[in-house]
Amino acid sequence: DTAVSQTPKYLVTQMGNDKSIKCEQNLGHDTMYWYKQDSKKFLKIMFSYNNKELIINETVPNRFSPKSPDKAHLNLHINSLELGDSAVYFCASSLGIGGTEAFFGQGTRLTVV
Amino acid sequence: SQKIEQNSEALNIQEGKTATLTCNYTNYSPAYLQWYRQDPGRGPVFLLLIRENEKEKRKERLKVTFDTTLKQSLFHITASQPADSATYLCALDGGNTPLVFGKGTRLSVIA
Repeated sequence: DTAVSQTPKYLVTQMGNDKSIKCEQNLGHDTMYWYKQDSKKFLKIMFSYNNKELIINETVPNRFSPKSPDKAHLNLHINSLELGDSAVYFCASSLGIGGTEAFFGQGTRLTVV
Repeated sequence: SQKIEQNSEALNIQEGKTATLTCNYTNYSPAYLQWYRQDPGRGPVFLLLIRENEKEKRKERLKVTFDTTLKQSLFHITASQPADSATYLCALDGGNTPLVFGKGTRLSVIA
């Protein structure tokens, strides 16, 4: 049973395209996140959702739009993809924000060509 | 803005020795500090959480210390094994904000 699952695992697409990454957690957690890990392996928070509500939106271009249809899902849609968007995107969940461990998905390696 | 540094990008150690990884931070007063392990091609996996009022926490061969005066955490793996080879990430936990991760230290345990 995968606690946090993301699809797809790999995504190769051309510049200018629109793509989505899906994330689901079966842990019953209230809080979900999207992190971006760049080529230097730096893991940076993009968005935080608590009970389907957006609570944190770091400095991320408007081309990135998260959507949470329910507590167990947090999808990431990216418009007009650029070369610089190439990275590994991780979904994560936790019981709440802070003071508790985060569970990460396996990551989605996005390559924009 | 807060800054978190893991001051060794890579660390090589002989099997059986104790590996010590360092995490320093500035401009922040975390309520907790967390350590994660990340293997190539996988997401980070939680190892330990230590609170600001705890000096030390242990779990099997792992030990974490947290010095809020020095703004530093040390992560130790005793009797290291080749299977411990991975990247270890330190993360600041403000208590009501998402985790802020360091860049990680890539540990290689040589048999």
